[in-house]
Amino acid sequence: QSALTQPASVSGSPGQSITISCTGTSSDVGSYNLVSWYQQHPGKAPKLLIYEGSERPSGVSNRFSGSKSGNAASLTISGLQAEDEADYYCSSYAGSTTYLVFGGGTKLTVL
Amino acid sequence: QVQLVQSGAEVKKPGASVKVSCKASGYTFTSYYMNWVRQAPGQGLEWMGTINPSGGDTNYAQKFQGRVTMTRDTSTSTVYMELSSLRSEDTAVYYCARDWDGYSYGYAYWGQGTLVTVSS
Repeated sequence: QSALTQPASVSGSPGQSITISCTGTSSDVGSYNLVSWYQQHPGKAPKLLIYEGSERPSGVSNRFSGSKSGNAASLTISGLQAEDEADYYCSSYAGSTTYLVFGGGTKLTVL
Repeated sequence: QVQLVQSGAEVKKPGASVKVSCKASGYTFTSYYMNWVRQAPGQGLEWMGTINPSGGDTNYAQKFQGRVTMTRDTSTSTVYMELSSLRSEDTAVYYCARDWDGYSYGYAYWGQGTLVTVSS
């Protein structure tokens, strides 16, 4: 059982927007603005999409955006494209003892 | 450009140990912590621990305490992750990963992954 809870799957049609949720606790997501989001295609290493809740590394499309409210974070993908079909993971810093926790991952299907 | 190059795939028997290397280039090796993340087949990502290449201090996930050892060699800009007492559940792809900016805990740079198979 993962420390952060994500839906197992989401789907959307090309051009639509989807949101993936990531629910944690007051010990991780709720206490730190250090949530990250990753995209992973089969057989590839994860790719960082969002860090510090809503910041995008250089080179990441502005179709990807992140937000946080209380103990939950979310990733929104706008203007869905076929190449967005992948697994998505959230992570959060969880303090000096636990350090870092991941969500269980969400499979995005582009219909 | 930042590059993390890992050692090749390994096949180990239950009870054995495995040592995976991750050679860094393209940045000042001692300026960024290095992390290890694993992914079992068809499963999610799991953080294993982190090492400070500057001082060698480490922080391991509780699940791996006593079985994992992370070390570094500053002369070759290489970090190592050794996992002992291997069992079948340790079959996974092991990644080294570096933070985007040193304090965001967002891992922007990843090695290519090393498949470790534990089988009798």
